[in-house]
Parts: sequence; structure tokens; C-alpha cells
Amino acid sequence: DTGVSQDPRHKITKRGQNVTFRCDPISEHNRLYWYRQTLGQGPEFLTYFQNEAQLEKSRLLSDRFSAERPKGSFSTLEIQRTEQGDSAMYLCASSFLSSGGYTFGSGTRLTVV
Amino acid sequence: QKEVEQNSGPLSVPEGAIASLNCTYSDRGSQSFFWYRQYSGKSPELIMFIYSNGDKEDGRFTAQLNKASQYVSLLIRDSQPSDSATYLCAVIGNSGYALNFGKGTSLLVTP
Repeated sequence: DTGVSQDPRHKITKRGQNVTFRCDPISEHNRLYWYRQTLGQGPEFLTYFQNEAQLEKSRLLSDRFSAERPKGSFSTLEIQRTEQGDSAMYLCASSFLSSGGYTFGSGTRLTVV
Repeated sequence: QKEVEQNSGPLSVPEGAIASLNCTYSDRGSQSFFWYRQYSGKSPELIMFIYSNGDKEDGRFTAQLNKASQYVSLLIRDSQPSDSATYLCAVIGNSGYALNFGKGTSLLVTP
């Protein structure tokens, strides 16, 4: 196990298209988080799963965003009808229940043109 | 008011000096505090965490926490050019779930 894996690394899409990102957490970690980061800003929390349950969603997560974590393993983040403002780095992180420190994946950089 | 505040910098220190990075937070119920390092174009990596008031040392890094003042800092001793990066302060607030990050402080260590 080499850490948190995200796919794809880069995605360029046209405005209005749907995109889906995948995250594979560290296998023994039961908590999974999605963050978004734009240039010059810290990561902003989007949503959090404990096992397969989505326990918290940020107000940043509009109706165009949806995340799933079937069977408590990998997770997907889908953005529908992308807008230029969605251009950002989307980071996935995982942690074990008793630990607060996250391990981040390499991220998916989304560019909406 | 943003929950976690950091000076964006850049903070420039000469090689071998001590770099001091500061962070304040607004949620008085916060329990856990983290410092992440992020190189340009890379994802954040955890370097220190601290839960109790006082100092915690790990190699060249020392994290300091003062809950009464809602202040957490990171000291980097014997700074190296390879320490040049953005340092992100992160806090788990009362909700106990998500890390709230500051904007980060850019550190430049000059040879």
C-alpha cells in the first residue's frame, strides 16, 4: 500500500460537462475526506465519510457536486454541469478513526475551459 | 472571520536560521492542531501535530500551542533551502470531523 491514490491526475473539460474523480484511500483508514484547493488558498473542506456513511457536507458543496463511497472503500466525486469556477485541485485524504492527521493523495487538477 | 488565520508571507530566512511560523484560530473548543508542508504543485504532507498546551519537538521542528491565546506556532531550527515551501496550519474544531486549514505561510530559505 503506497498511500492515497487519486485518478486522474489532470482533467481538462469544457464548461457544462460532467466529470468524475476517484480516490482510493489507505486500506486500513475508515475516514475519507474531499477538499478543494485553489491557488494561494489552503484546502477547503468539501465532504467527509466514515466507512460508507457521508457524515458531513460543506456549504461549498452545491447541488452540482455529489460524492459516494460504496462499501466504505474507494470514493468518487462527481461535478455536474461544470463551471469555470470549479477549476481547482481536488484533494482526497484518509485517516484512521483514532487519529486526526490526514494522509493526502496527489490530487486531481481540474481545468474547466 | 476565517476560522484559521495565517500570515501569507513570504517569510524569508537565511540558511541555518530559525524560522517561526504563526497561526491563530477562532474556535475555542478546538482540540487538535496540525502543521502541513506543501511544496509547489504537490499535496500537503503532515509534519507535526499537537494536542496539549506547551511545546512538542520532533527533530528540527517544534510545535507550540497556547489554547488560552488560541495560538499555535511552528519553529524550524537550522533552516535549509529544502524547507522552502508553504506551511499550512490546520485545526479540528468542536465538530471533531474536518480539518480547517489556514491559507498557509510561504517560507523561503535563502542559501
